[in-house]
Amino acid sequence: QVQLVQSGAEVKKPGASVKISCKASGYTFSNYYMHWVRQAPGQGPEWMGIINPNYGNTNHAQKFQGRVTMTRDTSTVYMELSDLRSEDTAVYYCARDKGFPAYIFDSWGQGTLVTVST
Amino acid sequence: EIVLTQSPGTLSLSPGERATLSCRASQSVSRTYLAWYQHKPGQAPRLLIYDASTRATGIPDRFSGSGSGTDFTLTISRLEPEDFAVYYCQQYGTSPTFGGGTKVQIK
Repeated sequence: QVQLVQSGAEVKKPGASVKISCKASGYTFSNYYMHWVRQAPGQGPEWMGIINPNYGNTNHAQKFQGRVTMTRDTSTVYMELSDLRSEDTAVYYCARDKGFPAYIFDSWGQGTLVTVST
Repeated sequence: EIVLTQSPGTLSLSPGERATLSCRASQSVSRTYLAWYQHKPGQAPRLLIYDASTRATGIPDRFSGSGSGTDFTLTISRLEPEDFAVYYCQQYGTSPTFGGGTKVQIK
């Protein structure tokens, strides 16, 4: 079965960077785009960006311009967010795309809590 | 950006009752590109419905979606104990956005 296993919780200071991993198994990694979605406390989810696992090309929400970097290697995708602020405190999820891409998220990782605090 | 507003914020119902959740978009969602997800604490979100009315693989038929344009509905025909959770709508006609969620809790 499809499994997306993310790295563990992180605590960072403002201005620092965080890099989260998401290891995929149970399907052909190169056949499905992957997204990153975050959810801040008390808010709905927020789409951050997408990566093509074949070529590594990415697209991201304008809000994260200049701060987010998505990469991949064999069966793992990574998301690095720089210049962290308190409002970046959230649970970060990787989510597999259902289509080619379709921007429908049919499998999700378990989430990684990132806390930004002095 | 398309803003999705979900209502009500909280729905208090008993097992066996019918749940009707609303998702309203700030502008028309192209091609009914709307999905619904279920999210339970400590778990990964689960895709229920996409293209407004198509059930995802393995989703029971008590879950149904409808709507078009700016108004969409998720209906759970008879609530089972495992259905008490938070539900989010998401549009993917443009850069994806999510609603704020509806919590379905036991009355």
